[in-house]
Amino acid sequence: SQQGEEDPQALSIQEGENATMNCSYKTSINNLQWYRQNSGRGLVHLILIRSNEREKHSGRLRVTLDTSKKSSSLLITASRAADTASYFCATDQPQGGSEKLVFGKGTKLTVNP
Amino acid sequence: EPEVTQTPSHQVTQMGQEVILRCVPISNHLYFYWYRQILGQKVEFLVSFYNNEISEKSEIFDDQFSVERPDGSNFTLKIRSTKLEDSAMYFCASSGWGSNTEAFFGQGTRLTVV
Repeated sequence: SQQGEEDPQALSIQEGENATMNCSYKTSINNLQWYRQNSGRGLVHLILIRSNEREKHSGRLRVTLDTSKKSSSLLITASRAADTASYFCATDQPQGGSEKLVFGKGTKLTVNP
Repeated sequence: EPEVTQTPSHQVTQMGQEVILRCVPISNHLYFYWYRQILGQKVEFLVSFYNNEISEKSEIFDDQFSVERPDGSNFTLKIRSTKLEDSAMYFCASSGWGSNTEAFFGQGTRLTVV
């Protein structure tokens, strides 16, 4: 798989349920970031987790990072209809020197009211 | 809260025409980027800009593309002679100093080449 691949590609849940999205990557990283994109709109930064961190919380969001498995997960607890969006992970490329991000294809989350 | 702003939000242009997409990054940020997202596909890196010069560019960023920071606030992407396949959402982003700073994105410019 390519750098920053999310799974599942699509996820449909009921309001109130938790949603878990996973991301895998191939190369070493300094950090991994998660973004949300509402249909046809901009990318909203959710959370950044550094390579020396294992877990981070922000409100209803919980992100984990396992550098040994080169994977990360994003958990949204008590989901709401407004959480319906696509979620992307993005990894930096420390060897490139420019801080560019490499994005995955995203998980399309639908939260049904 | 500071944000990255992009103009225009939509641009329709004829094939072969030049377009300039504009961005105002967050004021104290040092790294600036352009990304694009073809409909239904992943977000792709185009170019990064630091200290008034390109620090990295992708294979997509060929001679038809150029970037400029004409003054202390604006950051532009120019496509010299647009092709149909340039139709995409173009995102500007900026980030601060260091290897562990968040990159913030603008709302994007949807470019349609007809």
